[in-house]
Amino acid sequence: DTGVSQDPRHKITKRGQNVTFRCDPISEHNRLYWYRQTLGQGPEFLTYFQNEAQLEKSRLLSDRFSAERPKGSFSTLEIQRTEQGDSAMYLCASSLGGVNTEAFFGQGTRLTVV
Amino acid sequence: AQSVTQLDSQVPVFEEAPVELRCNYSSSVSVYLFWYVQYPNQGLQLLLKYLSGSTLVKGINGFEAEFNKSQTSFHLRKPSVHISDTAEYFCAVTRASTGANNLFFGTGTRLTVIP
Repeated sequence: DTGVSQDPRHKITKRGQNVTFRCDPISEHNRLYWYRQTLGQGPEFLTYFQNEAQLEKSRLLSDRFSAERPKGSFSTLEIQRTEQGDSAMYLCASSLGGVNTEAFFGQGTRLTVV
Repeated sequence: AQSVTQLDSQVPVFEEAPVELRCNYSSSVSVYLFWYVQYPNQGLQLLLKYLSGSTLVKGINGFEAEFNKSQTSFHLRKPSVHISDTAEYFCAVTRASTGANNLFFGTGTRLTVIP
């Protein structure tokens, strides 16, 4: 296993289009997290899953954002009706369950909305 | 809620000199604290973490940090930096009770090591 994998690495889309990003966590990790990182800022927590259950989604930026993890393995993050302000790096991380575990991050998907 | 303030957005330092990157946190509950490093075009990598116990934490690449509860600080230090330490460094916090690892990050400090 080579770590957390995100696809695509880069995405350019026109304003108003829908986009979907995929994250494949480390195989034995049951927790999966999505973050957004804009230029000059630290990563901003969006949502997380414990297996297939989405346990925290109040920090999703608007109802245009949604995430799924249907079988408790890979996850998708969808943004509907994209806006220029959605341009950012979207990061995925995964970890084992429990308190003292490290979150491993993927390299991210860079979204540019034109 | 938890929050983190990184007081310096950019820190230039000469090679082999010591460096300290400052981090202050705010929380009404017990927290875990982390430092992550981000190299260009790479994902975040954990440098070190404080969960409990000794307030001096040693991490990878010769970095260490000291948790100071009274000053709500978790400053990162290295006694002698190398060119390869040039990167963005992020301090992060999470509630100790949840174990959920949903981290709250600071805005980052760009460390530039000058030859």
